[in-house]
Formats: sequence, C-alpha cells, structure tokens
Amino acid sequence: DIQMTQSPSSLSASVGERVTLTCRASQDIDYYLNWYQQKSGEAPKLLIRDASTVEGGVPSRFSGSGSGTDFTLTISSLQPEDVATYYCQHWHSLPLTFGGGTRVEIK
Amino acid sequence: QVQLLQSGAEVKKPGSSVRVSCRASGDTFTTYTFSWVRQAPGQGLEWMGKIIPVLRTADYAPKFQGRLTITADRGTSTAYMELSGLESDDTALYYCARDTFYCNGGYCFPHWGQGTLVSVS
Repeated sequence: DIQMTQSPSSLSASVGERVTLTCRASQDIDYYLNWYQQKSGEAPKLLIRDASTVEGGVPSRFSGSGSGTDFTLTISSLQPEDVATYYCQHWHSLPLTFGGGTRVEIK
Repeated sequence: QVQLLQSGAEVKKPGSSVRVSCRASGDTFTTYTFSWVRQAPGQGLEWMGKIIPVLRTADYAPKFQGRLTITADRGTSTAYMELSGLESDDTALYYCARDTFYCNGGYCFPHWGQGTLVSVS
C-alpha cells in the first residue's frame, strides 16, 4: 500500500497569513492526488483534484501543486472559515489511502 | 445537484454484522463509482472499498478483505456496505462517497453522504 504522510499534524496561523500544508507519498504517484477539507461535524469536501485542479466554488486562495512524491496545499490568505482538518488522498493504485490530516486553527 | 442519503445509526454487538445503505439522486451520470470511507472517533479517513454498479465489480482494501461486501442496485441508485465480524475497533462514522464525470478513474469524491454512525459494544 502507498503511505501518505502529512505535515505538520497541526498548525496555528493568523488571519491573512499564507499557510502551506505538505503531503508526501511513499512512492511516485505522478499527479494522482486529491485534497479534502473537513470541518468539525461535517463530511469531507473535495478542494483540489489531480494535484492542482481546484474544484468549482472553492475560493481562489486555495491552490495545490506537486507531483511524484511531494505535494503542497497552499492557502494564500487564511480566513476564519478555513478552520478545518485537511486530508490528502492518492489514487495511483488500489487501495486508495488518505494522509493522517493537518488540523488548521486560527492564532 | 447530487445527493447521497445514508441509512440511520446502528448499534451492534461484537461478532455481528451491519449493513449500511446509500442512495444517490440528482444526476444522470451512469458510470459512477461508489466508495465507502470510514472515520473512527477523532481519527482520520480510511478508504474501505468501492463498486462500479454498471459493472457490478467491487474492490476492497486488503484490511477488510473477507469481511466486507459492497453491492449496488442500479435501479434505485443505491449502494450497500456490509461489514461482518464487528469488533469495538469498527466503531466509526461510515461515509459513502461518489465520483462524477470529471474524476479520472472514478477516484475523486466530490459527493459525500451524511455519514452513518456504527457503534459496536
């Protein structure tokens, strides 16, 4: 199975600050990576697919990049409504696996 | 707008089985894939398996092989997840998730059910 490792496990940043979340795959997964946002008590929401394609309706402050084994999710200007846990998920091969998540809070 | 409606919460005894349903409505996409993802209390997301209803083929994560069965009814656009041999570690929120036409390989999940809490004790 491909292991997905996210870092940091949690972070606290100020409103308006640029935030970068990292996801690393245990082997080359090309661009086969999605990012999800999960707010407390809610189902996950697809933010970015195929490493860098932002889903419709997702604010433009969210962006994704990377390929191979290293990927990043960037929030260009953190907003209070961005408080959530963010998960990466590969789809290179079965079984699909998720990273352990990064919890984002407001300082 | 696609909606996924899951069946209600379940309380089960260790060793028993549970069956959760997930009914999709709101679109005409026919070659979709249902996946099941679970989340233990305070923990992350875990993919369990998937089915392509039009092909009636299912795939399972190795961890669940042998005790997980995923089926689907194309006529009602409903997927089912049955997990047997329940243990306390299976206590979790079980989500169904579905792809859409732009998901390569059927492996992105823009649509999620509301989750079904399965408690084993």
